[in-house]
Amino acid sequence: DAGVTQSPTHLIKTRGQQVTLRCSPKSGHDTVSWYQQALGQGPQFIFQYYEEEERQRGNFPDRFSGHQFPNYSSELNVNALLLGDSALYLCASSLFQGVLPPEAFFGQGTRLTVV
Amino acid sequence: DAKTTQPNSMESNEEEPVHLPCNHSTISGTDYIHWYRQLPSQGPEYVIHGLTSNVNNRMASLAIAEDRKSSTLILHRATLRDAAVYYCILSSWANFGNEKLTFGTGTRLTIIP
Repeated sequence: DAGVTQSPTHLIKTRGQQVTLRCSPKSGHDTVSWYQQALGQGPQFIFQYYEEEERQRGNFPDRFSGHQFPNYSSELNVNALLLGDSALYLCASSLFQGVLPPEAFFGQGTRLTVV
Repeated sequence: DAKTTQPNSMESNEEEPVHLPCNHSTISGTDYIHWYRQLPSQGPEYVIHGLTSNVNNRMASLAIAEDRKSSTLILHRATLRDAAVYYCILSSWANFGNEKLTFGTGTRLTIIP
């Protein structure tokens, strides 16, 4: 089992550009969440996808959007990049269990640098 | 979201037990207490979670106060590999669905050889 895989591992983009980050969840998992982690801070929740729909969203602007595919993989898109978008972007997968909290598995992250 | 308070940093000697405290005085009845840790250059890793009773697994133990306003993560015998940032997180599963994890700044644990 490969666990949660994210690509690419590192990325450098110019301010104003658009970026797409990809995540493959752990085998058997159906839910994908995305987090942004600035240097020295804890991860901040961006949004969560389940059954190909955005189920929850954190306090992030509409420049941040996502998608979940039928195979449960997911993409995070960021438009009009700002210098402040430079961060480690983490993908977490879990298996929906109704009223019981699942264990979330995180990928190694994509390090995005905006110059 | 209910808030948690953790010390910024702690040190412990290798092969000794470690007690990591977390205060959550505004916890609600449906909030679960989760602990995740993040090793250097890695994504967070699940450690343990509980609701009311103390919990044990292969990695650690979670001791929850009777009033649930505080909890302690216990690493029974610290190794160098346990050096990480430990996050105490509250999340409610009262609603039918997957709840988000709200991370704070955590406790940076240093293990002294």
